[in-house]
Order: sequence, then C-alpha cells, then structure tokens
Amino acid sequence: GQQLNQSPQSMFIQEGEDVSMNCTSSSIFNTWLWYKQDPGEGPVLLIALYKAGELTSNGRLTAQFGITRKDSFLNISASIPSDVGIYFCAGRNTGTASKLTFGTGTRLQVTL
Amino acid sequence: ETGVTQSPTHLIKTRGQQVTLRCSSQSGHNTVSWYQQALGQGPQFIFQYYREEENGRGNFPPRFSGLQFPNYSSELNVNALELDDSALYLCASSFDSYEQYFGPGTRLTVT
Repeated sequence: GQQLNQSPQSMFIQEGEDVSMNCTSSSIFNTWLWYKQDPGEGPVLLIALYKAGELTSNGRLTAQFGITRKDSFLNISASIPSDVGIYFCAGRNTGTASKLTFGTGTRLQVTL
Repeated sequence: ETGVTQSPTHLIKTRGQQVTLRCSSQSGHNTVSWYQQALGQGPQFIFQYYREEENGRGNFPPRFSGLQFPNYSSELNVNALELDDSALYLCASSFDSYEQYFGPGTRLTVT
C-alpha cells in the first residue's frame, strides 16, 4: 500500500537541540496528522492540521500543513530524552472511510 | 475515560491457522479502524467499521475480515495465516470521521 515519504529516516540529536522533520506525498490530503510511537505501544496523536498553510503548536511541538497540501513539517524545540521514539505523519481525506495513510517514520534518538 | 484496549497482547500461530483479535473502542466513539504494521514500517489501513458495517477497505485480501458489535467493540479475523501476516495489529477508534486514537496493538507471530 501507499506510504508517505518522511525524512530524515533517523536522527541523533543532543538534549536541548531543535529538531525538524518533514513528510511528502504524491497526492493531496485535506488533513495532516502527526503521531509518536514508543516501542511496544500504539501511535499517540500529537497534532492535527486541517487547512493548507495552517501552523499549529502543541507545547514544544509545531507543525505546518504545506500550501500544496502534499506535505507537512514537524518541529520539536529544546528536545528532551522523552522525545525519543518514532514520529509518523499521516494524511487523510474525508469520504466514505476516513482512512489514514502513514509515512515511513522518523526515528528520533536524543543523547544527553 | 477509558482508552482503546486490545487483546491479546501477543499471539503465536502456525501458518494456515485462523486468528481473532479484539478491540474495545474509547468511550463515546462509534467507529473502529484496523491497521497492520510490519516491522520498521508505518501502519497500513485494513478496514473500518461504522455502525456495525464495513465502511471502507484497504488493499487486503478477503481472508481478512471483521465485525463490529452494538457496543462498538470490534474483532479482526484472519484466515489461512501466512508468514507475512506477522505484524503488529493496531485498532483505532474515533467518533464518526474525527481523529483516530490507537490502542497498544496485538503482536502476531506466524511460524
């Protein structure tokens, strides 16, 4: 099945640094979401974006819905050890089934 | 408020067998979606149930089937298990087509 492209695939950063990751699609979505998944757990919703160009924050997290509706970006400021995990973007179009199409994931590791 | 729960946590089956996985949706949610997550990949949509009926299906064969009950809980059934069916199976619930909240998943290993 289709998966969205996320980059980088993985990253090591130091505690306190800012992090940026992005997600691109060959098709348009009218909703973009960002999830975080810890080992052995299900994805946890971080941010939802509903409008092209929208910029939304949730604490240290900021995400943007790309103008073309084919991409989205997630920034994490002042990273802390509990930010470790895999971050997934997901696109959705409302319709008969509001299925989520997920990205390939960005694995974040934070060193002290 | 109770979140999404899934059972069992882990399961080991033999190729050719059948398996049933269960999901209880979050309080107030009426829609359940199932996803398959292979190791190192993002979740892939299997199907969605709304008001006890299948409401959309991903690219999965008919041996993947499901049910939704009047209390909005759901089951995923997989027949004739194949080695490639080994994965984390995730259930997500939502109210109508609003945001989906995931359970912890069931890890299925097919040997």
